[in-house]
Amino acid sequence: SQTIHQWPATLVQPVGSPLSLECTVEGTSNPNLYWYRQAAGRGLQLLFYSVGIGQISSEVPQNLSASRPQDRQFILSSKKLLLSDSGFYLCAWSVRTADTQYFGPGTRLTVL
Amino acid sequence: GENVEQHPSTLSVQEGDSAVIKCTYSDSASNYFPWYKQELGKRPQLIIDIRSNVGEKKDQRIAVTLNKTAKHFSLHITETQPEDSAVYFCAAFTGGGNKLTFGTGTQLKVEL
Repeated sequence: SQTIHQWPATLVQPVGSPLSLECTVEGTSNPNLYWYRQAAGRGLQLLFYSVGIGQISSEVPQNLSASRPQDRQFILSSKKLLLSDSGFYLCAWSVRTADTQYFGPGTRLTVL
Repeated sequence: GENVEQHPSTLSVQEGDSAVIKCTYSDSASNYFPWYKQELGKRPQLIIDIRSNVGEKKDQRIAVTLNKTAKHFSLHITETQPEDSAVYFCAAFTGGGNKLTFGTGTQLKVEL
């Protein structure tokens, strides 16, 4: 069966510091991968998605970036965090584009 | 792009009553409509989904209906239980946009 992992689970970072969040999927090949952000009490905002290694589509221009160095690995990064980057970051995967998305356990990021 | 509106934002029902959450979408090309349940601090979990070639789908106490002409779909939960208390998100997938667009969520509270 397929499983999706995210780490770290929680993170507290100062403003202006860098960020690296990692997501890995097991049990499937060439999944579509997604990064979402959820602000406290709010909905899901799609940040990036990838249909293959090195292929990244950005939905929201901001100080975040994403990379997919391996088939089942998706990384979310920032060079300098802003207060507004605080939130619950969720990675998700799907078999095909128009298919069910399964979410990882998430990373709760607090920027102080 | 696609726009998904979800109502109500909060819903309180008595245990055993039915709950209905409604979503409308703007892009007539949307063809996949999942519903997610998110408990506090947890990841969204798929509870049911429907594709545009089907008008209704049921899974035990949960059902989803789709009206393509009116461009709206609804989640129906019968015989509600306290463990149904959570935030529910609808979503619509549009091939042109190549992504899921989520509604803003409904906080469902089932009271004893």
